[in-house]
Amino acid sequence: RKEVEQDPGPFNVPEGATVAFNCTYSNSASQSFFWYRQDCRKEPKLLMSVYSSGNEDGRFTAQLNRASQYISLLIRDSKLSDSATYLCVHGGSQGNLIFGKGTKLSVKP
Amino acid sequence: DGGITQSPKYLFRKEGQNVTLSCEQNLNHDAMYWYRQDPGQGLRLIYYSQIVNDFQKGDIAEGYSVSREKKESFPLTVTSAQKNPTAFYLCASKGLWQRVNTGELFFGEGSRLTVL
Repeated sequence: RKEVEQDPGPFNVPEGATVAFNCTYSNSASQSFFWYRQDCRKEPKLLMSVYSSGNEDGRFTAQLNRASQYISLLIRDSKLSDSATYLCVHGGSQGNLIFGKGTKLSVKP
Repeated sequence: DGGITQSPKYLFRKEGQNVTLSCEQNLNHDAMYWYRQDPGQGLRLIYYSQIVNDFQKGDIAEGYSVSREKKESFPLTVTSAQKNPTAFYLCASKGLWQRVNTGELFFGEGSRLTVL
C-alpha cells in the first residue's frame, strides 16, 4: 500500500456545492495528520490539522478514522477561491511528514 | 516579517552543471527540509536537518548535497549526478519543540529549476 493515497480528481463542482475528499494512509502508528492547500505553481500552506475528535474551521471540516486509516476533508458552500489542490499529509515512520499527491478541486461559477 | 526565502525563483542550467539553491529563514526554527515536486506528484523529501552541522538523507537524496553551517541557512546543491533535475524545489522549516513528524511546516515560495 502506498503511504498516502488520494483521488487526484479533478473534482469539478459548482459554486455553493459541498465536496468531500478522502485520503488513506499506511502508517497505523502515525499521530499527526494535516490538510494542506496548494495553489497552482505555489508553495503548500497548512489548511488545517486533523484531530482524533474531528475539527471544524468555518466551511471546512476534517475527520480522522483510525480504524480504517483514512482522513477526510469536507468543504461546504464552495467558493471560486477554493479552487486548488488539497494535499493529505501524515507523520511518517521515519519521523518526517508524508505528502499525498493531492486532489485537485475546481469550483465553477 | 518572519519567513523563509528561497532564491532564485527560476533557474535555467545546462546539463552537467551543478547548481545551488538558497534557503534562508528568520523564524528561529531548528529543523529545515528540502522537498522536490514534479508535475502531478506529491512532495518527496530530499534532505532534512534538525540541528546545525547535522543533516539526514530523505527518500531521494541521490544526486543532491546540503550543508547546515548556520541555523538560518540550508542550501541545496543539485549535482550533475542527479539524472532528472528539472523540478520545483521547496524548502521548509519548523521549530524543534515540535516532534519531527508533527506540526506545521512553513514553506518558502519555491525554486523552479529547468535543465536544458
